[in-house]
Amino acid sequence: DAGITQSPRYKITETGRQVTLMCHQTWSHSYMFWYRQDLGHGLRLIYYSAAADITDKGEVPDGYVVSRSKTENFPLTLESATRSQTSVYFCASSAFGEQFFGPGTRLTVL
Amino acid sequence: AQTVTQSQPEMSVQEAETVTLSCTYDTSENNYYLFWYKQPPSRQMILVIRQEAYKQQNATENRFSVNFQKAAKSFSLKISDSQLGDTAMYFCAFLSMKTSYDKVIFGPGTSLSVIP
Repeated sequence: DAGITQSPRYKITETGRQVTLMCHQTWSHSYMFWYRQDLGHGLRLIYYSAAADITDKGEVPDGYVVSRSKTENFPLTLESATRSQTSVYFCASSAFGEQFFGPGTRLTVL
Repeated sequence: AQTVTQSQPEMSVQEAETVTLSCTYDTSENNYYLFWYKQPPSRQMILVIRQEAYKQQNATENRFSVNFQKAAKSFSLKISDSQLGDTAMYFCAFLSMKTSYDKVIFGPGTSLSVIP
């Protein structure tokens, strides 16, 4: 499928567990991003990447790890999930400034 | 640092009427992009319209148009002939042309409800 996909779409986990959210894009866009969306906070940037093997922290990176070994994939890992990480997570890629978003992953940490 | 403000957390409009969503931003730069994104209940974020700051002409996409006031740092979105499918969160966003990472700054959003 062309575009940007995320998996899983829904995830329930427990406090302290490691969770990885997957993001895949088919356009070969250089830039990719991870956001979290919470009521009252809009979209907050967690991490971003300019190319394979180049990543940098965004506004709220604590508790998250990213990697980008291939241009098309940009997984986000919660090393030890906490309740405060319950949120909707969006992956995006961009070209010429326009951001293309995945469908989001709703993560619940119990 | 740039900031984007949307002063209307919630708005409503009657079907077929016109509504304007407000956005202001703060920047010292002269060249940048501005965007409006729409997020319907399905959660999918969709680009509605974009404006390049160097263009004086206001962007238009069908029923959606903007009023870009560069000196006032204002970027409002007008939706004409509102339809039920316009019910969504709307995010105003700013992108500096100086950045090399395409990092967009989003406003907090305005929740728009179209009433039948």
